[in-house]
Amino acid sequence: QVQLVQSGAEVKKPGASVKVSCKASGYTFTGYYMHWVRQAPGQGLEWMGWINVNSGGTNYAQKFQGWVTMTRDTSISTTYMELSRLRSDDTAVYYCARDLGSSVTTFLEYWGQGTLVTVSS
Amino acid sequence: QSALTQPPSASGSPGQSVTISCTGTSSDVGAYNYVSWYQQHPGKAPKLMIYEVSKRPSGVPDRFSGSKSGNTASLTVSGLQAEDEADYYCSSYAVSNNLGFGGGTKLTVL
Repeated sequence: QVQLVQSGAEVKKPGASVKVSCKASGYTFTGYYMHWVRQAPGQGLEWMGWINVNSGGTNYAQKFQGWVTMTRDTSISTTYMELSRLRSDDTAVYYCARDLGSSVTTFLEYWGQGTLVTVSS
Repeated sequence: QSALTQPPSASGSPGQSVTISCTGTSSDVGAYNYVSWYQQHPGKAPKLMIYEVSKRPSGVPDRFSGSKSGNTASLTVSGLQAEDEADYYCSSYAVSNNLGFGGGTKLTVL
């Protein structure tokens, strides 16, 4: 069965960076795009971007351009999301989510368990 | 501010039907059939319930259905059950921001 297992909770100071990992299993890792979505406490979902796991190509939401980096390591079936210059309003649960199709459909079929990132001085 | 507009709350009694709306524009919901709906229980990850406006992934009960008219998409939950109580989010592809979500609707089963 498809599983996405994310790294554990992080506490960071303002201005620092955080890198969240998402290890996939149960399917052909390079066959699907991976998205990242975040959710601030008590708030809604916010799409951050996707990575073409096969080629490494990325597409970031305009808000996050220059600020987020998505990468992957195919040898260990893991994608990463790194967010820099953290601010307190970046405190959120960060999810990886696998696309439903082999090309980008924007339908997020499988989700990781989420990683809480807390930004506090 | 969310890209798509949803009512903050909806409710119904067990066995009843409830419809949640999701209003976008002619640049997103109205332009593409890339509309999906997610269910999220407290403390859990979202779950895909409807994709491509009206398709259900394997395992999603047929009590859940989706539709679209113009710039507004809708999710209908028929035969409400206690476990349907959750937050529901719509999403749509848009050229401008690729993927936008609604602000979410809290569904209460009375």
